[in-house]
Amino acid sequence: EAGVAQSPRYKIIEKRQSVAFWCNPISGHATLYWYQQILGQGPKLLIQFQNNGVVDDSQLPKDRFSAERLKGVDSTLKIQPAKLEDSAVYLCASSPYSSSGSEQYFGPGTRLTVT
Amino acid sequence: GDSVTQMEGPVTLSEEAFLTINCTYTATGYPSLFWYVQYPGEGLQLLLKATKADDKGSNKGFEATYRKETTSFHLEKGSVQVSDSAVYFCAFSFSGGYNKLIFGAGTRLAVHP
Repeated sequence: EAGVAQSPRYKIIEKRQSVAFWCNPISGHATLYWYQQILGQGPKLLIQFQNNGVVDDSQLPKDRFSAERLKGVDSTLKIQPAKLEDSAVYLCASSPYSSSGSEQYFGPGTRLTVT
Repeated sequence: GDSVTQMEGPVTLSEEAFLTINCTYTATGYPSLFWYVQYPGEGLQLLLKATKADDKGSNKGFEATYRKETTSFHLEKGSVQVSDSAVYFCAFSFSGGYNKLIFGAGTRLAVHP
């Protein structure tokens, strides 16, 4: 079974530029998550999708971050414009269910450096 | 607020030593508890979990028991190997919620031969 795919793996941009990350979850997984992991910290949920719909985006900085999930499968996370503090690893995860206790499967992440 | 506190690293051990990584949580209700592990160059993966009080999760020789009275979920292994070197994350998800994970900061473990 293929795992969660993410691209690109690394990205370096200057502040005020825009960037987009792509995620392809495990086939059949209804729930998709984007986490931000700043160096030295644990991952923090940015947004969670259940099929096409958003169920939690309470920690997404909506003035600069946006995300969509196309046809309930692939997802894209965008930052526009980027700030220095956005330097982090962006992790995508998926799970077959959204109920508490369901295992989440993580992709390898995209490491973003904002200079 | 809701949070996870983990033992600070790095933890450095010799092979075959006993491992404990402490984890306590602050959350309302009865969360599900997890340990995730990140091996060098790899993504996060679930190590073990427990979904109710007094449950013990176990995998690959690692164990952790859900202690509601002390809000703890300490990770233990009786004899570590060099291959256990990784970063370990304690996390929980809210009962009745949408499975959002709240993570601790992670504990780096280095095991030497």
